[in-house]
Amino acid sequence: GAVVSQHPSWVICKSGTSVKIECRSLDFQATTMFWYRQFPKQSLMLMATSNEGSKATYEQGVEKDKFLINHASLTLSTLTVTSAHPEDSSFYICSARDWGDYPPNEQFFGPGTRLTVL
Amino acid sequence: AQRVTQPEKLLSVFKGAPVELKCNYSYSGSPELFWYVQYSRQRLQLLLRHISRESIKGFTADLNKGETSFHLKKPFAQEEDSAMYYCAPPNAGKSTFGDGTTLTVKP
Repeated sequence: GAVVSQHPSWVICKSGTSVKIECRSLDFQATTMFWYRQFPKQSLMLMATSNEGSKATYEQGVEKDKFLINHASLTLSTLTVTSAHPEDSSFYICSARDWGDYPPNEQFFGPGTRLTVL
Repeated sequence: AQRVTQPEKLLSVFKGAPVELKCNYSYSGSPELFWYVQYSRQRLQLLLRHISRESIKGFTADLNKGETSFHLKKPFAQEEDSAMYYCAPPNAGKSTFGDGTTLTVKP
């Protein structure tokens, strides 16, 4: 099946710094990528939908200036957590969907990135 | 917008017992749904999709248009089925995934 990678798998940073997380589709082109946040033993929370070549669509309550998303190519989307604070510590997961809406395409998930802000 | 609802956040059964994880949908058009599973310390992965009507790891899910449901069922639960299960429509709308159900299969 299709593979999605994330880098880094974990990161520790100081409060006030910015962190960039990469999401790559390794063997397919992903016109759409999704960014999620997951707290321990809780469900996924969709943060934003990223479409190649256009601005991301953010879910209500997600600060777009805080969580910058760039989807410059069909195989790469990046999430930058700007001026990170301890409350931003979480598990961030990306997923990618192959282009085309029919037949309905599954999402392929990355392994996640554990962010800890000190 | 396409929405799915998973009414049970937690579900616990004993090994060998039948299990049903509920999913209801509410959107117009032909519903085409997926079940995803997340085992402990692993990434989410597709379990099964409505359109293929397949059975994976003993799980099946039938679309019931009258009840607008896509419940996931297994006749005899195994301990290794313990995981978090998500119901999802194929296209991202306001809510891509249901809230998830954590299944615990006790020995």
